[in-house]
Parts: sequence; structure tokens; C-alpha cells
Amino acid sequence: AQSVTQPDIHITVSEGASLELRCNYSYGATPYLFWYVQSPGQGLQLLLKYFSGDTLVQGIKGFEAEFKRSQSSFNLRKPSVHWSDAAEYFCAVGDGGYQKVTFGIGTKLQVIP
Amino acid sequence: SAVISQKPSRDICQRGTSLTIQCQVDSQVTMMFWYRQQPGQSLTLIATANQGSEATYESGFVIDKFPISRPNLTFSTLTVSNMSPEDSSIYLCSVKRGGRGDEQFFGPGTRLTVL
Repeated sequence: AQSVTQPDIHITVSEGASLELRCNYSYGATPYLFWYVQSPGQGLQLLLKYFSGDTLVQGIKGFEAEFKRSQSSFNLRKPSVHWSDAAEYFCAVGDGGYQKVTFGIGTKLQVIP
Repeated sequence: SAVISQKPSRDICQRGTSLTIQCQVDSQVTMMFWYRQQPGQSLTLIATANQGSEATYESGFVIDKFPISRPNLTFSTLTVSNMSPEDSSIYLCSVKRGGRGDEQFFGPGTRLTVL
């Protein structure tokens, strides 16, 4: 069965600082990987996805993520965080066929001035 | 992308009653899903809503408690039956347009509180 681990439940960063959110997955084959963001009171918005090809994936809002097969990781990064980035971030893994998507527990990002 | 709306956006219900949540998509989609997000938890897939046939439920979820309808390719409903306070959650509808590898798009969610 596929699974996702987000080891950091809550992260606080200063505005303008860099950000890295960790995600480790478990899946037997090449996974489909996603990062979603959920702002308070909102639904989930897709930031980026990885299916194949270049392991460094660019997304919206200046985010990027790198797929590292050897480490079973798909960490999300942003070079300079804005106050509007405060939200909850979910990493997810999808299987290759049915496309059942399993979500991590989420990382809540707080941005301080 | 897909524009998804859910009704109601929130509700407060009494124990033992039922609530039906609607999900409407702006165009035809291949697959529709219903998720539950309990307070402080991640998203858990309840079921896949199949057009014209019975929904496919995940382990731990049953049709008697969460009946689902999908009469066409743009609309689905989820009913939370005989509610208890443990059903207090955000319920999210999501859709997938295409086949393998396509991402899911999510509705804004329905925040349910059961007293």
C-alpha cells in the first residue's frame, strides 16, 4: 500500500526566508507525486506534480519540488517566503493505474514578519 | 482545470439527522471522489462516485452511512446519515478529468458540525 510521511506538522519561517517542506513516500513503482496547498477555509489547490521526466518540478506561486528516488522523497521548496504563503501544505502520492491518491498529514506553515 | 462548487458550504446539524452535500462541476469529468478531513487530520478517501452505478467505498466506509449518487458526469451527492459528533469534518468533493496521471481538482469543501 502507498503511504506518505510529512515529518513536520508545523513550521514557522520569517518572511523572505527560504522554505523546505519535507515529504517521504512509500510506493512500489514509479509514483505520481503532488503538492497541494490549503488556505484557511479554502479547498485544496494543486501547486505542482511529478509524473516522469525532469526530477525538478516547477509549480505555481514560485514553488518547486525535487523528486529523489533514492531517498523516496519529494521535498517542496521556495527561495523566499511571502506572508500569503501561510497555509497548510499536503504532499500526496498516486498509484499508477486507478489513481488512488493518498495524502500526508499536512504541514502547517506560519510566516512571521 | 475544473471549477467545482459544493453546497452547503457549512452546516450545523443535530445528532441523528442526515445531511446531503452536493457537488457540481463546470464540465464533464471522468471520476469524482468524496473525501473527509477531520479536525487536525489529513484527507481520507471515502468513496469514488461512479456514474450510473454504485459508488466504490474505501475500507471503513459503508453505503448505509455515506450513500452517494452520481446521476451524470457533472454532479454528485454525498449523504451523511444518522450523524453523530464524530462525523464533524470537512467533506470535500474532487474530480479527475482524464486517465492515468491526471491530477485531482478539489471543491471548496463543506464544513459540517454535529451537535
